[in-house]
Amino acid sequence: SQKIEQNSEALNIQEGKTATLTCNYTNYSPAYLQWYRQDPGRGPVFLLLIRENEKEKRKERLKVTFDTTLKQSLFHITASQPADSATYLCALDKTGFQKLVFGTGTRLLVSP
Amino acid sequence: DVKVTQSSRYLVKRTGEKVFLECVQDMDHENMFWYRQDPGLGLRLIYFSYDVKMKEKGDIPEGYSVSREKKERFSLILESASTNQTSMYLCASRLAGGGQETQYFGPGTRLLVL
Repeated sequence: SQKIEQNSEALNIQEGKTATLTCNYTNYSPAYLQWYRQDPGRGPVFLLLIRENEKEKRKERLKVTFDTTLKQSLFHITASQPADSATYLCALDKTGFQKLVFGTGTRLLVSP
Repeated sequence: DVKVTQSSRYLVKRTGEKVFLECVQDMDHENMFWYRQDPGLGLRLIYFSYDVKMKEKGDIPEGYSVSREKKERFSLILESASTNQTSMYLCASRLAGGGQETQYFGPGTRLLVL
């Protein structure tokens, strides 16, 4: 069955370091992969989209990679700040069904 | 900016009550979704609608129904609320363009069923 896995354990890092979050998937052949940020008690907010033919995508301090051979996406936040503390979700389109399927998310905690 | 609004941020209901959760989007999106989110389980799709009066079951539709009479409005109905339906409910909308389209979420409704 199709599965999306994100590290369920929180990632704790110090301010200024680079945070790297992982999204692994099985039994998918996605054309696109999306990353969302969710703050406590709020709905997820879109951050970045990467296409299967793109190896890397950047937006300010954010960088996403997409390796369709490894079936993995990495999400990096450089020069992390306490304000980056949130849960980050990856999502894949369930092909042909117009529905995004979300991973369970990884909580990031950035300490001053 | 796309705006997705939900009728309530917090709701407290009694077991057996009928509960209506309303969602409105202002960007003429074809697709609308209802999810529930519980700790450790992530976002789980309850129902999905790709057009007015059209609906499709998601992964956990039992105990829920939906209504989409107008394009901008998608309602989730708990026919007879139970304590295991205590959860955060999130509505979302999206253009019908496939995987490249961003999904926009509402602020969520935290429902407590006593």
